[in-house]
Amino acid sequence: NAGVTQTPKFQVLKTGQSMTLQCAQDMNHEYMSWYRQDPGMGLRLIHYSVGAGITDQGEVPNGYNVSRSTTEDFPLRLLSAAPSQTSVYFCASSLDRGPSVEQYFGPGTRLTVT
Amino acid sequence: EDKVVQSPLSLVVHEGDTVTLNCSYEVTNFRSLLWYKQEKKAPTFLFMLTSSGIEKKSGRLSSILDKKELFSILNITATQTGDSAVYLCAVQEYGNKLVFGAGTILRVKS
Repeated sequence: NAGVTQTPKFQVLKTGQSMTLQCAQDMNHEYMSWYRQDPGMGLRLIHYSVGAGITDQGEVPNGYNVSRSTTEDFPLRLLSAAPSQTSVYFCASSLDRGPSVEQYFGPGTRLTVT
Repeated sequence: EDKVVQSPLSLVVHEGDTVTLNCSYEVTNFRSLLWYKQEKKAPTFLFMLTSSGIEKKSGRLSSILDKKELFSILNITATQTGDSAVYLCAVQEYGNKLVFGAGTILRVKS
């Protein structure tokens, strides 16, 4: 199993550009989520999905869109990049059942918006 | 508002020292508390705690949860330079959402 994969690893955008961060998992996990991490702060939840066709907002959803057309993929779209979106982005996945479930993180995408 | 607070924010110790990292939380639908280690890449899983008073151990690391007082501690004994990292505490709510603390930066000097 490859686990959780993310592409690209690094990206530089100009203000106003759009792009999609890719996330895929091969563990047949139902739950997938996107976090951003800024210096001195923990990870903050952007969007999450409990299964194909179902998505919901997290703590900091503004400026981001997601969709979940398959179990494996959960792309994050930046519609019009802003410098405030400069951050490291992590995708995570887990099973969506059981008394407690461990989340598996991807390697991260470092995004800089100039 | 759900929140997770970690202390201290950072600390510097010498090899061989013992450190205790703290995590307190206020969340609506507690499911479990998790500790992660992060070394300039993705967080790596250390422990998941769901029951009060039961210590989890892995080598020199151990952790315990107090659901009455709403806190957890992570202990590292005989610290090594390889323990230098950011340690993240997160509370998992029902629905699998994770609420993270800001982390504790640990630096172990040789």
